[in-house]
Amino acid sequence: GESVGLHLPTLSVQEGDNSIINCAYSNSASDYFIWYKQESGKGPQFIIDIRSNMDKRQGQRVTVLLNKTVKHLSLQIAATQPGDSAVYFCAENENTGNQFYFGTGTSLTVIP
Amino acid sequence: EPEVTQTPSHQVTQMGQEVILRCVPISNHLYFYWYRQILGQKVEFLVSFYNNEISEKSEIFDDQFSVERPDGSNFTLKIRSTKLEDSAMYFCASSEANEQYFGPGTRLTVT
Repeated sequence: GESVGLHLPTLSVQEGDNSIINCAYSNSASDYFIWYKQESGKGPQFIIDIRSNMDKRQGQRVTVLLNKTVKHLSLQIAATQPGDSAVYFCAENENTGNQFYFGTGTSLTVIP
Repeated sequence: EPEVTQTPSHQVTQMGQEVILRCVPISNHLYFYWYRQILGQKVEFLVSFYNNEISEKSEIFDDQFSVERPDGSNFTLKIRSTKLEDSAMYFCASSEANEQYFGPGTRLTVT
């Protein structure tokens, strides 16, 4: 039979604009979160992480915000570039183990 | 920059056959992982490996799956008797601590 795939949320932005990608997680015990970028035909690439004792963390052109009250994570990309076009997904982990649970991902397209 | 490598990039096998997917983790890393991603679906954790033994595994990682670090550099995933539903991208990852570095993946197609 035909397998049913998930329909990824999509986001299109103009080059130079800021992008915001959101992720809702379900496990209130999760205390460590990672954002990954996955380009077509490649493995996931670490972007930025955050622990539950923080609500904001900044990297180079990226900022992750964590709202534990509503179990929401966001990734902000400043001055989005065509090379940022990819699928972005969050992963959550309870620090008691190695198992990460990945979200479904958001497909970001940057329009030159 | 060091990277995780995986071979082959694409493996086609018949249902019921055994396959071995190979990975060379980053040399100073101590933690090793296998994930799979069925086309169009989420990345799913299979197993983690540390100090020459499995440290954690998911429900997907049943008796048909095994992992091995046969020497100081390779990390392998074996599927004993492949099923159609094993068709997926299989990613190896390694880490020194929390930041996992993923390989490019092996696309497994079971016919």
